[in-house]
Amino acid sequence: DQQVKQNSPSLSVQEGRISILNCDYTNSMFDYFLWYKKYPAEGPTFLISISSIKDKNEDGRFTVFLNKSAKHLSLHIVPSQPGDSAVYFCAASAFGNQFYFGTGTSLTVIP
Amino acid sequence: DGGITQSPKYLFRKEGQNVTLSCEQNLNHDAMYWYRQDPGQGLRLIYYSQIVNDFQKGDIAEGYSVSREKKESFPLTVTSAQKNPTAFYLCASRDRGMNSPLHFGNGTRLTVT
Repeated sequence: DQQVKQNSPSLSVQEGRISILNCDYTNSMFDYFLWYKKYPAEGPTFLISISSIKDKNEDGRFTVFLNKSAKHLSLHIVPSQPGDSAVYFCAASAFGNQFYFGTGTSLTVIP
Repeated sequence: DGGITQSPKYLFRKEGQNVTLSCEQNLNHDAMYWYRQDPGQGLRLIYYSQIVNDFQKGDIAEGYSVSREKKESFPLTVTSAQKNPTAFYLCASRDRGMNSPLHFGNGTRLTVT
């Protein structure tokens, strides 16, 4: 059963606007959450992470929000740029062991 | 440059043959992982190793085998018992500590016909 879910397979956003990518999880033991960006035929690139003791982490244009009660996290990209067009995966782990990934959301930023 | 090297980028095999995918890292990371990516299914964990000479099965280990004889190397063998071996295989490593991210190689695309 999928422990990390990304229910939106795709998202299109105008350049300069905000992109919001969502992720839900089921395992309450998860204590570390990550976002990766991936281009076709390449490995995922780490973007940003957050531990369960925080509810927000920011790095430049990227902000991750964690809502533990809803078991939900989101990635905000502001402002969106055409180079942000890629597939984004969320991931989660418990105690640094196995990392579980969602199925990805394909983001297209329209110039 | 530190990083994770997967070779080759593309691999073709006939059905019934075993094939070994290479993964080498020079990041001095303790833990290494193998994932498989199929269209629409995200990344699924095959095997992982936290230390040399030790490894654990992931969610889809059937038909695969690994070894971890050296810290920097974690080869994956896709055996003939794997029913659907054609996929994109990704190797990753991470440093010690609970809040350390996975770092990925660029993957090997395996096609079995």
